[in-house]
Amino acid sequence: VTLLEQNPRWRLVPRGQAVNLRCILKNSQYPWMSWYQQDLQKQLQWLFTLRSPGDKEVKSLPGADYLATRVTDTELRLQVANMSQGRTLYCTCTPGQTNERLFFGHGTKLSVL
Amino acid sequence: QQKVQQSPESLSVPEGGMASFNCTSSDRNFQYFWWYRQHSGEGPKALMSIFSDGDKKEGRFTAHLNKASLHVSLHIRDSQPSDSALYFCAASEHGGNMGYKLTFGTGTSLLVDP
Repeated sequence: VTLLEQNPRWRLVPRGQAVNLRCILKNSQYPWMSWYQQDLQKQLQWLFTLRSPGDKEVKSLPGADYLATRVTDTELRLQVANMSQGRTLYCTCTPGQTNERLFFGHGTKLSVL
Repeated sequence: QQKVQQSPESLSVPEGGMASFNCTSSDRNFQYFWWYRQHSGEGPKALMSIFSDGDKKEGRFTAHLNKASLHVSLHIRDSQPSDSALYFCAASEHGGNMGYKLTFGTGTSLLVDP
């Protein structure tokens, strides 16, 4: 059973253009939703965790700027701007704050045009 | 500095052989460890967790944790071609209330030759 639906699966992003990603939670028992990035060297890095609708956070990392929003209990969004290097963004979910396994979505692979 | 170091970078074993991965944390705040596996084109999937000193066995997979040295290992016996994937060690901080925030190691690429 798929817990997370990520769209799109792949996007070609013109340099200087922002892109908006969505992640839909299919099971409300896993409400702690996060974004992780995986760079071209396959290194995984936590970006954000947003629990409640209305939560927003921004972050700048080498190669991209991020704005994450928890839109509803089931929808998480990520805006990626100023991307200079390709990467894959994964949405994750978990039941709570304690040490339980993360479930990853299929990811959205971003390539710079 | 990478807080979670993994070795080797890549590994090739024959079908039916033993595959072993190592991971060391440089941060004593990391007390909880996971192993994740990622097949090509997919998101990572959790294999197993280990939070206490000693061994933990789940089927063909055995994890070992030494908290004093912050060293964790994973062993896969009777390796199958379907085990070919990228393996990550991941750690979360002591206290356990940010389990959603994992710090991942650099990964080990496993190839199991049929």
